[in-house]
Amino acid sequence: EAGVAQSPRYKIIEKRQSVAFWCNPISGHATLYWYQQILGQGPKLLIQFQNNGVVDDSQLPKDRFSAERLKGVDSTLKIQPAKLEDSAVYLCASSRAREANTIYFGEGSWLTVV
Amino acid sequence: EDQVTQSPEALRLQEGESSSLNCSYTVSGLRGLFWYRQDPGKGPEFLFTLYSAGEEKEKERLKATLTKKESFLHITAPKPEDSATYLCAATGGGNKLTFGTGTQLKVEL
Repeated sequence: EAGVAQSPRYKIIEKRQSVAFWCNPISGHATLYWYQQILGQGPKLLIQFQNNGVVDDSQLPKDRFSAERLKGVDSTLKIQPAKLEDSAVYLCASSRAREANTIYFGEGSWLTVV
Repeated sequence: EDQVTQSPEALRLQEGESSSLNCSYTVSGLRGLFWYRQDPGKGPEFLFTLYSAGEEKEKERLKATLTKKESFLHITAPKPEDSATYLCAATGGGNKLTFGTGTQLKVEL
């Protein structure tokens, strides 16, 4: 079974530029998550989708971050304009259902903002 | 607000020296306690899910246990390949996974 796919793996941008990350979840997984992991910290949930609807985006900085999941499969996370403090790993994850189901993570997209 | 606290932050063991990692949680209506392993440059890899106090799960040299306030990850006779960061996470009534900051384990020959 293929895992969660993410791209690009690495990105370096200047502050105030924009960046987009793509995620393809495990086939059949209805729930998709984007997490932000800053070096030395645990992952923090940014947004959770159930199919193509948003379940939780309470910790998403909506003035600069946006995410969409068209057709309930692939998802894109965008940052515009980027700030230095956005330097982190952006992890996409998926699970079969919302309730306490095992969440599987991708390898992450590493963002450095200079 | 849900909280997950892991200790120690870092742990150095000699090969074969057994130890335990701690994860204490404050989650209303715990629905699941998860352990993940994370290698440098990789995403977290699922290890275990525990659902109720008294539950235990094992995989090779790892055993996870759960009480009403904390979970332990016991590592028996560790090998250098067990070196990684171990993350604990919990989900409660809001179905949101809250992570701890992890324990960085280094196993030396």
